[in-house]
Amino acid sequence: GEDVEQSLFLSVREGDSSVINCTYTDSSSTYLYWYKQEPGAGLQLLTYIFSNMDMKQDQRLTVLLNKKDKHLSLRIADTQTGDSAIYFCAEIVAGGSYIPTFGRGTSLIVHP
Amino acid sequence: GAVVSQHPSWVICKSGTSVKIECRSLDFQATTMFWYRQFPKQSLMLMATSNEGSKATYEQGVEKDKFLINHASLTLSTLTVTSAHPEDSSFYICSASRLAGVWEQYFGPGTRLTVT
Repeated sequence: GEDVEQSLFLSVREGDSSVINCTYTDSSSTYLYWYKQEPGAGLQLLTYIFSNMDMKQDQRLTVLLNKKDKHLSLRIADTQTGDSAIYFCAEIVAGGSYIPTFGRGTSLIVHP
Repeated sequence: GAVVSQHPSWVICKSGTSVKIECRSLDFQATTMFWYRQFPKQSLMLMATSNEGSKATYEQGVEKDKFLINHASLTLSTLTVTSAHPEDSSFYICSASRLAGVWEQYFGPGTRLTVT
């Protein structure tokens, strides 16, 4: 089955870039998502990328996909204290059950 | 993006009582709705998947008689925790999904359940 791995913690200084990494195992046609969860809240969809893409940029967010290594990253430019949250990577295999597999989440801490 | 609401946002109940949580997709019709449970500092644990008008599919280890799911329409799903016990205290999150060119999944804000 699918497996999604993330590092658990990342600490950055305000104004720096943050890079959150994720690896996945299924090499089939896949949707890959990044969600943000603030304390006590649900998950907010940030962005997604399909496995036939290498990169997607949306304002301060850049998603890079390395299909060969099954590695996905989320780069947040000019990180702000409001970006402090848990970031989840998730994978859905197209044509399958469409049940997403989530990573354990990376806790991003932004300090002044 | 699409909006998913949950009600209530938090609830405190006594052991042995039942609690119903509603999940609504406000501006789209959801193909599928999911119910998750999340423990502190942990990832989401999928409890069940439901499609409108059919029985929910429960994940292994989730008691279907304890966690009753009703998916009455394309915009509403409910989760009822029956005979709640303190170990059922958790953060419950629903999501609603649709296939609109790409597969989109939107999450509700969650419901904090505390059983005393």
